[in-house]
Amino acid sequence: EAGVTQFPSHSVIEKGQTVTLRCDPISGHDNLYWYRRVMGKEIKFLLHFVKESKQDESGMPNNRFLAERTGGTYSTLKVQPAELEDSGVYFCASSQVPGAVNEQFFGPGTRLTVL
Amino acid sequence: DQQVKQNSPSLSVQEGRISILNCDYTNSMFDYFLWYKKYPAEGPTFLISISSIKDKNEDGRFTVFLNKSAKHLSLHIVPSQPGDSAVYFCAASDDFNKFYFGSGTKLNVKP
Repeated sequence: EAGVTQFPSHSVIEKGQTVTLRCDPISGHDNLYWYRRVMGKEIKFLLHFVKESKQDESGMPNNRFLAERTGGTYSTLKVQPAELEDSGVYFCASSQVPGAVNEQFFGPGTRLTVL
Repeated sequence: DQQVKQNSPSLSVQEGRISILNCDYTNSMFDYFLWYKKYPAEGPTFLISISSIKDKNEDGRFTVFLNKSAKHLSLHIVPSQPGDSAVYFCAASDDFNKFYFGSGTKLNVKP
């Protein structure tokens, strides 16, 4: 079974540009999560999808960030326009069973660098 | 404000000895706790969990202890192996979905 995949693995953009990150969850997983780790600090929750619906987006930093999950399969996270402080590693995770604490499977992350 | 803290950024242990990784939290509503292990260029991988109704959970060489009154949990690895060298994150939640992570402790197990 394929794991959670993320694309691209690295992205380097200039301040003010737009970047779109993609996450493909494990097939059949209704729950999809986005997290971010900045500068070796804690991994911070951004938002949670259940199928195509945003269940919790309380961690989204501001309105420059837009997450979508059309059709309830893959998800995209767009940053527009990107700022320097957006640099970090963006992780996506998925789970099949709501509330199963040990079943959030993480992707390898996208390292975003904003210059 | 960070609700889950791992105050030791790194830990070095000799192979065969015990590794103890610590984690503190501030929110008394947290009732599920997990440890994740992360290798470079990979995503975190689930290691072990504990709910607040327990004070200990064991899985092979890995044991997690929870002290609710102190809002403290720890991960014990016995015996430590070089393959255990990784960054370890603790995480906590009160709803199973939104997890608050610490900043990680980098464990180095020396052969």
